[in-house]
Amino acid sequence: QKEVEQDPGPLSVPEGAIVSLNCTYSNSAFQYFMWYRQYSRKGPELLMYTYSSGNKEDGRFTAQVDKSSKYISLFIRDSQPSDSATYLCAMKEGTGRRALTFGSGTRLQVQP
Amino acid sequence: DVKVTQSSRYLVKRTGEKVFLECVQDMDHENMFWYRQDPGLGLRLIYFSYDVKMKEKGDIPEGYSVSREKKERFSLILESASTNQTSMYLCASSSGNQPQHFGDGTRLSIL
Repeated sequence: QKEVEQDPGPLSVPEGAIVSLNCTYSNSAFQYFMWYRQYSRKGPELLMYTYSSGNKEDGRFTAQVDKSSKYISLFIRDSQPSDSATYLCAMKEGTGRRALTFGSGTRLQVQP
Repeated sequence: DVKVTQSSRYLVKRTGEKVFLECVQDMDHENMFWYRQDPGLGLRLIYFSYDVKMKEKGDIPEGYSVSREKKERFSLILESASTNQTSMYLCASSSGNQPQHFGDGTRLSIL
């Protein structure tokens, strides 16, 4: 079983829809949670960064972390065709391992 | 803005060749990382470095080595390239517990 599970999609939605992307994890030592967006043939770009549980909002994006359920979410409001990309969740332990553990990514397509 | 620059976007090499992938960051980050990204497998850590001349193996170090002679530069070396090393290679850097910032990757094909 992978440490971080993420549905690969593809997820296809109409423009303007609310998108929900999710990851589950098994390692209770994860304290830092990130969402990256990756366009085709480009490197991952940091979208959201949260520490421990709670919500964080940035424009049309909201990240939620529920450590009790080992579940994180990214919500995109008023989705646009330019949001079409692969979304990667990533997590890091509080101490110890310095590297990130990634989900395999969800491909999102927003139809105009 | 953090800038992580990878020397080549696309590279084609032959089996058995020694291959060097270079990465430079401009934010004085102490941590640097090399990942490979394959369809269905996500990003997997090859090696990372937390200081000049310091390195640690990641999850898939076999067939690779690294060099960090200066803080801003981290090189990945394929000692004798093989076809199963055809992949997208991503370099990243970070400081402390801050998130990692990535370069645009090198798409490497081994023929």
